[in-house]
Amino acid sequence: EVQLVDSGGGVVKPGGSLRLSCAASGFSFADYAMHWVRQGPGKGLEWVAGISWNSGGVKYEDSVRGRFTISRDDAKNSLSLQMSSLRAEDTALYYCVRGTSDALDVWGQGTMVIVSP
Amino acid sequence: SSELTQDPTVSVALGQTVRITCQGDSLRSYYANWYQQKPRQAPLLVIYGHNNRPSGIPDRFSGSNSGNTASLTISGAQAEDEADYYCNSRDTSANHLGWVFGGGTKLTVL
Repeated sequence: EVQLVDSGGGVVKPGGSLRLSCAASGFSFADYAMHWVRQGPGKGLEWVAGISWNSGGVKYEDSVRGRFTISRDDAKNSLSLQMSSLRAEDTALYYCVRGTSDALDVWGQGTMVIVSP
Repeated sequence: SSELTQDPTVSVALGQTVRITCQGDSLRSYYANWYQQKPRQAPLLVIYGHNNRPSGIPDRFSGSNSGNTASLTISGAQAEDEADYYCNSRDTSANHLGWVFGGGTKLTVL
């Protein structure tokens, strides 16, 4: 079964840091681009960051560039998102998502990040 | 970055056909994909590329694209289709890794 399991969320103070992880199974992880998509409370979906299948390319949404770092470990079938200088507006459910050339086709269950004093 | 625009709410009578639309400049270059999200669940891809359905998605779901507009059509809407629907496409202002989402449409089945 193709599966993505997100973890690492929690409550953090403004300006703090947090590292999210995603464990992949059931497919050849190294062959796929991977992404993080977030959803604020009661809000829509927002693409946050993506990394190519060979880590040769990374891309960030404007509001997180310079604060978030996406990375992958193909030997461990894992994806990470290092988040620093967190702001209240970063509060959201963060999804790990598999990307193909056509779409974002497999989603994790999400991990919640709350930035609050 | 690119923007995609969706109507916030749409309703349909049980068994009738409904169309949900998405507009944006990126759709002139890329197909729209459609995701269904039910409460407390992760989004589920229902249409991708040129009207393709992932395995397990009922054939009452279909997609179309014309100019800067994409549409998701549900033919014979069922109660279980009540959900939020999001379109997305590649972000034309980014490299091949960037994606953009519409604001979402809440579908109510009456």
